Amino acid sequence: DSGVTQTPKHLITATGQRVTLRCSPRSGDLSVYWYQQSLDQGLQFLIQYYNGEERAKGNILERFSAQQFPDLHSELNLSSLELGDSALYFCASSHPVGGYTFGSGTRLTVV
Amino acid sequence: QKEVEQDPGPLSVPEGAIVSLNCTYSNSAFQYFMWYRQYSRKGPELLMYTYSSGNKEDGRFTAQVDKSSKYISLFIRDSQPSDSATYLCAMSANTGNQFYFGTGTSLTVIP
Repeated sequence: DSGVTQTPKHLITATGQRVTLRCSPRSGDLSVYWYQQSLDQGLQFLIQYYNGEERAKGNILERFSAQQFPDLHSELNLSSLELGDSALYFCASSHPVGGYTFGSGTRLTVV
Repeated sequence: QKEVEQDPGPLSVPEGAIVSLNCTYSNSAFQYFMWYRQYSRKGPELLMYTYSSGNKEDGRFTAQVDKSSKYISLFIRDSQPSDSATYLCAMSANTGNQFYFGTGTSLTVIP
């Protein structure tokens, strides 16, 4: 158990819809990173939050947004979904020895 | 040019073989390097974390960093069928920043 909790594990939704992915970072860790993993693109950095503040933004579409709440959990909102948004979405927080520790991911399928 | 290049494989070896996995990168500012193992559709698991150049050994795994060549390697000795997974390299200029990932190398160890 990495200590990073993501829900739901699986999500199936139709094009044009909106979904929310949830992440709780490792206990005591202030950082949350969101990554998207698709078959042809590998792991793509989306956005980073630190103690409620956006710290860095990567290849995140305008249709996507995120926030980190006072209890440090984070939500990634994906709207106007397209077939190409189907992917694994990972949340990560800092690993004790350095780098990241990842959650088990949310598998999003857009039909 | 991508920040990090990694041969996707697939790589297939017999049990007991020594496996060499490699990544190259373009950003000379990178100084933190990680290797992750990812089983099918699961969250990536941190294997090795190194700083700057040199070698680091942990059991059957050895990570090497050659900053002058912008080249990192992961060696797996006495490979086991349980090592069958996708291996991802990742790197960053600063521990507080995002890490850039390779696309992963798929490894199969045949019993």
